[in-house]
Amino acid sequence: ETGVTQTPRHLVMGMTNKKSLKCEQHLGHNAMYWYKQSAKKPLELMFVYSLEERVENNSVPSRFSPECPNSSHLFLHLHTLQPEDSALYLCASSPRFGSSYEQYFGPGTRLTVT
Amino acid sequence: AQSVTQPDIHITVSEGASLELRCNYSYGATPYLFWYVQSPGQGLQLLLKYFSGDTLVQGIKGFEAEFKRSQSSFNLRKPSVHWSDAAEYFCAVGGLNTDKLIFGTGTRLQVFP
Repeated sequence: ETGVTQTPRHLVMGMTNKKSLKCEQHLGHNAMYWYKQSAKKPLELMFVYSLEERVENNSVPSRFSPECPNSSHLFLHLHTLQPEDSALYLCASSPRFGSSYEQYFGPGTRLTVT
Repeated sequence: AQSVTQPDIHITVSEGASLELRCNYSYGATPYLFWYVQSPGQGLQLLLKYFSGDTLVQGIKGFEAEFKRSQSSFNLRKPSVHWSDAAEYFCAVGGLNTDKLIFGTGTRLQVFP
């Protein structure tokens, strides 16, 4: 039980669909993150938000669009994805932005693009 | 270049045996080091962290890790493994003034009864 929840847990979408992933943290943290986890590759940091402001975009394609309406919620909007985007998408939060404090992860959304 | 290497992709041990998972890092500044565990279908759970001070750190579930600056290593140990420890283990490095954690590719631990 990590205090970070993600929905849906599984998602299958076609290449022309639009869908959104949701993350919610109940820890009172100020920073939130999206990661991509693919088989046999290290976790890839996609986006970092601090107090609802995007502070990092790690060269992620524009077909991934994050949104952070408040410090507890984070979304990842998906459109016109490619099969290579199939992966586990993990959300994380940490107490503060600006240093490598420990990050708390949600269970992830397993995304399959057909 | 900043990187984390976990040389062992897959380790198998018997229940009750001791365990050591290796982690080597390359980092240009003072490292902050972490070990996470991921059970199937789950997110990553923090086992322990090292920022400074005593180089032997204790974590949850009976795990410990030792920071050795001269060897750029942060190996994870457990004296007696339980079947429930079967999972994937990730080492990560970060530092002051950066949110970015650099993860290794993980070590999958299998435990036989």
